[in-house]
This record gives sequence, structure tokens and C-alpha cells, in this order.
Amino acid sequence: SQELEQSPQSLIVQEGKNLTINCTSSKTLYGLYWYKQKYGEGLIFLMMLQKGGEEKSHEKITAKLDEKKQQSSLHITASQPSHAGIYLCGAGPLGQNFVFGPGTRLSVLP
Amino acid sequence: SAVISQKPSRDICQRGTSLTIQCQVDSQVTMMFWYRQQPGQSLTLIATANQGSEATYESGFVIDKFPISRPNLTFSTLTVSNMSPEDSSIYLCSVEGPFRGETQYFGPGTRLLVL
Repeated sequence: SQELEQSPQSLIVQEGKNLTINCTSSKTLYGLYWYKQKYGEGLIFLMMLQKGGEEKSHEKITAKLDEKKQQSSLHITASQPSHAGIYLCGAGPLGQNFVFGPGTRLSVLP
Repeated sequence: SAVISQKPSRDICQRGTSLTIQCQVDSQVTMMFWYRQQPGQSLTLIATANQGSEATYESGFVIDKFPISRPNLTFSTLTVSNMSPEDSSIYLCSVEGPFRGETQYFGPGTRLLVL
């Protein structure tokens, strides 16, 4: 079965700094989802990447998919306290085989 | 960690009928979440269910279509009402870990096909 790893496990940055979170798959990625979780709010879908080389942006968050490396990166530019939370990548076919990474805990210091 | 079970695991339903999905957790949790994963789409949050209060629905989801019950701290139900083929999805319930900073735990999902 597919497994996802994320790095770093946790991250503390100063407001205004840029940061990158990586998600690496044990198998070929055919689609990769990024979510954000804030305590008490459930998972929020950020974006989905389907094709190798694809890059998507939402406000100050950009994600890329490197199919060859079986990896995706999530980059936040000029981080703000509102960016704090847990970022999860997810992949796989729908349903019970869908897997999530362990999450990256982001804290942004004002 | 939390162990979550869902019933039924799958079902095939006729248009216009309703289906109630049950979610049981092996520990008491404050918040339970219901998600939907439609074919080819991401996991989407339907609503948050707190014990003793009405569920909070996300934009695009309404209580008449997806009534939720939360009678105690270990159990919740989601009903998909007046179903149409567009409701064919996988429905998942989820809970947070008890500590801030823990990721969520998901049930095995209910695979629904509406004919």
C-alpha cells in the first residue's frame, strides 16, 4: 500500500518568512491533495495536483508535484499567523485506500 | 489514537430514498466531523458535530439534506436525504485527537452508490 512521509514534522517560523513542506510517496503519485487542519475546525482542502510538473497557487500558498521524485512541495510565502496549523498531504484512490501523510505542524510567531 | 467504525460500509440506494450512516468511536470525543469524497474530487468537509448542540454546516451543505445527530460523545449519524446520483460518494467520519496538534483520525468510510 502507498505510504506518505512529510518533512519537516514541525516548523516554527517568524512571521513574514517563507517556508516549504515536503510530501514524499512510496509509490508513483497519480494525484496529490494538500489539506490544512486547524484545531477544532476540521480539514480544509487547499489544492490538488494531478500531473507531473503541475503547480498551483492559492493566495500565498503554492504547491508543486514532481512525479519523477514521487514528491510534492508546499511553499508558503511571507507567512502569517493565520497560516499556522497542521498541513497534511493525501493521495491514493478514493475511499479506504486513500492515505494521509503524518502531517507537518506549523507555528508562525508574530 | 481513536478507533472509528462506520456502518454500513457500502450501500446501493434508489433515487429519492434516504440513508443513515452511523459512526462509532471507541473513546469520548468533543468534536466529530463528517466528510464526503466524490469521485475524482477531494475530501470535503460537510459539517462538524458537537454533542448537545446542532451541527455546524459548511458552505454548500444544509441540514435538510444532511441531518446529523450527536446523541453522546462516542456516536454520531449522518443522513443523506432524498438521494440523487450526485450523492454517490464515500462518506467518512473523523475525530480529532484529544491533544492540540494531533492529526485527525478517520473512519473506514461508507461507499454510497445512488441509482
